[in-house]
Amino acid sequence: ETGVTQSPTHLIKTRGQQVTLRCSSQSGHNTVSWYQQALGQGPQFIFQYYREEENGRGNFPPRFSGLQFPNYSSELNVNALELDDSALYLCASSFHRGPARDTQYFGPGTRLTVL
Amino acid sequence: KQEVTQIPAALSVPEGENLVLNCSFTDSAIYNLQWFRQDPGKGLTSLLLIQSSQREQTSGRLNASLDKSSGRSTLYIAASQPGDSATYLCAVPGGDYKLSFGAGTTVTVRA
Repeated sequence: ETGVTQSPTHLIKTRGQQVTLRCSSQSGHNTVSWYQQALGQGPQFIFQYYREEENGRGNFPPRFSGLQFPNYSSELNVNALELDDSALYLCASSFHRGPARDTQYFGPGTRLTVL
Repeated sequence: KQEVTQIPAALSVPEGENLVLNCSFTDSAIYNLQWFRQDPGKGLTSLLLIQSSQREQTSGRLNASLDKSSGRSTLYIAASQPGDSATYLCAVPGGDYKLSFGAGTTVTVRA
């Protein structure tokens, strides 16, 4: 069984640029959630995708967008990067949508630095 | 809105001592509570998930208790080892789609 993988591991961008982060869900999982974790804080929910559709969204602006593909892998896109977007971005997958029903399995994260 | 608080923010103990980590949440109508471990700059590893109908859950040296009515959970780590040094986060469903996390307790176990 393959766990959740994310790429790239680290990324450095400048303000105003755009970035795409990628996540492959654990085998058999159809739900992917994205979280942003600033230094010293707990992860904050960005959005969730279930069977290729956005299923829920946290308090993040529209410049944070995503996709889920037929194989249930997912992308997080961030446009017009700001300094405050510097964080660890975590992807989590599960078999059932909604953490109320299923354990969430997290990937190793992508560290984004915006200069 | 679900708020999750973890106290203390940091803890340093000598090897062999038992660890007690606290988590509180404001909305007691939860389905489950999950404890995670996070090593510096890394992702989250699920340690234990306690269903709302359970009072506690055990895995090896780890034991987590849940008191829904008071909005509290405690993670006990017996006979701590330097390899237990990490940040421990608790999380509860904060709605239909997301987990609401505490800020974590950073543990240092001194050899």
